[in-house]
Amino acid sequence: LAKTTQPISMDSYEGQEVNITCSHNNIATNDYITWYQQFPSQGPRFIIQGYKTKVTNEVASLFIPADRKSSTLSLPRVSLSDTAVYYCLVGSRMDSSYKLIFGSGTRLLVRP
Amino acid sequence: NAGVTQTPKFQVLKTGQSMTLQCAQDMNHEYMSWYRQDPGMGLRLIHYSVGAGITDQGEVPNGYNVSRSTTEDFPLRLLSAAPSQTSVYFCASSYGLAAAKNIQYFGAGTRLSVL
Repeated sequence: LAKTTQPISMDSYEGQEVNITCSHNNIATNDYITWYQQFPSQGPRFIIQGYKTKVTNEVASLFIPADRKSSTLSLPRVSLSDTAVYYCLVGSRMDSSYKLIFGSGTRLLVRP
Repeated sequence: NAGVTQTPKFQVLKTGQSMTLQCAQDMNHEYMSWYRQDPGMGLRLIHYSVGAGITDQGEVPNGYNVSRSTTEDFPLRLLSAAPSQTSVYFCASSYGLAAAKNIQYFGAGTRLSVL
């Protein structure tokens, strides 16, 4: 079962750049890497998705090395409202089927 | 634009009772899924569907049934509720399961307590 591995928690301060790395050693050739953000008492929300190199949108950047065995979510100049749990998601082979199984996520705390 | 709608938002059951959690989406998504999230934990996949009439098991399917008779609806049935099923349940949908189509949109969740 190919799952992702992320740090359990990270601390940062307002205005800093935060980089969260996810390991996915068994990623399939055609699989994409997707990151979600979850606030307490809410469902996860899509942040960014990528296949290789670098992807950037209005809220984050995603860096993927050539071997695609890891990825790094970069949040520029975080604020208190970025305190949340961040999940990276790749497909997993389980019982001969492809499934979208979440890992444990990274709990980010942004301090004033 | 409703997105993914889950009902009810809260539910309290007694051990042994059955109930159905409702999930509906208005985005014409083929893929739908159910996750449960225990306090302080990550999301675990219960069941999923890649289209009407097609369902499959996730990581923790025991004690739950699903069916997919329409593209829009994907109800989750608890057959005989147990305290271990106390959790927050999230429904999600996406255009597909394949890469680049599998960005999931989540509902607000159903908070279930089994006494």
